Amino acid sequence: DAGVIQSPRHEVTEMGQEVTLRCKPISGHNSLFWYRQTMMRGLELLIYFNNNVPIDDSGMPEDRFSAKMPNASFSTLKIQPSEPRDSAVYFCASSFLAGLYEQYFGPGTRLTVT
Amino acid sequence: DQQVKQNSPSLSVQEGRISILNCDYTNSMFDYFLWYKKYPAEGPTFLISISSIKDKNEDGRFTVFLNKSAKHLSLHIVPSQPGDSAVYFCAASRSGGGADGLTFGKGTHLIIQP
Repeated sequence: DAGVIQSPRHEVTEMGQEVTLRCKPISGHNSLFWYRQTMMRGLELLIYFNNNVPIDDSGMPEDRFSAKMPNASFSTLKIQPSEPRDSAVYFCASSFLAGLYEQYFGPGTRLTVT
Repeated sequence: DQQVKQNSPSLSVQEGRISILNCDYTNSMFDYFLWYKKYPAEGPTFLISISSIKDKNEDGRFTVFLNKSAKHLSLHIVPSQPGDSAVYFCAASRSGGGADGLTFGKGTHLIIQP
């Protein structure tokens, strides 16, 4: 099993530019989560999907952030326009929906906005 | 308001000894608790979990204890090995692991000294 796949692994962009982060969950998992890790706030949940449907986006910091899951094997997190304070590591995780299951994390995308 | 707290940012333990990492939570709705291990430049890796109906779960060198009345859990690693040096995150969920986002503590950096 390839695990959760994220791309790109590193992204450096200028303030004001659009950034798109991509995630492929583990095959068969039906829950997908986006987290962000910063020094100040630690690991925090941004949004999650169950069966491709967004369930809770209360963690999305601003309207500049949006996420989609067009099918069971792909999700995107978009920031438009990006700002320096968006610099962080963004993780995608997936899990089975029902029962007591752990979430499996991808390697993360390190985003730097200059 | 931090709902999951890890009050020790770092912990140093001699190789072969027991490592004890602590975690406190405030939300009574949490019913599933997980420990993740994280190496630099990698995503968090699931280590061990415990349901709120249990007070202990063991997996090899790793044991997690849950004290619901005190809203406290701990991870014991015996014996500690050099490869255990990493950041350990405590996480909690309100409905299993897959149907809800995880709330993370800020982590404890465990250093195993030879």
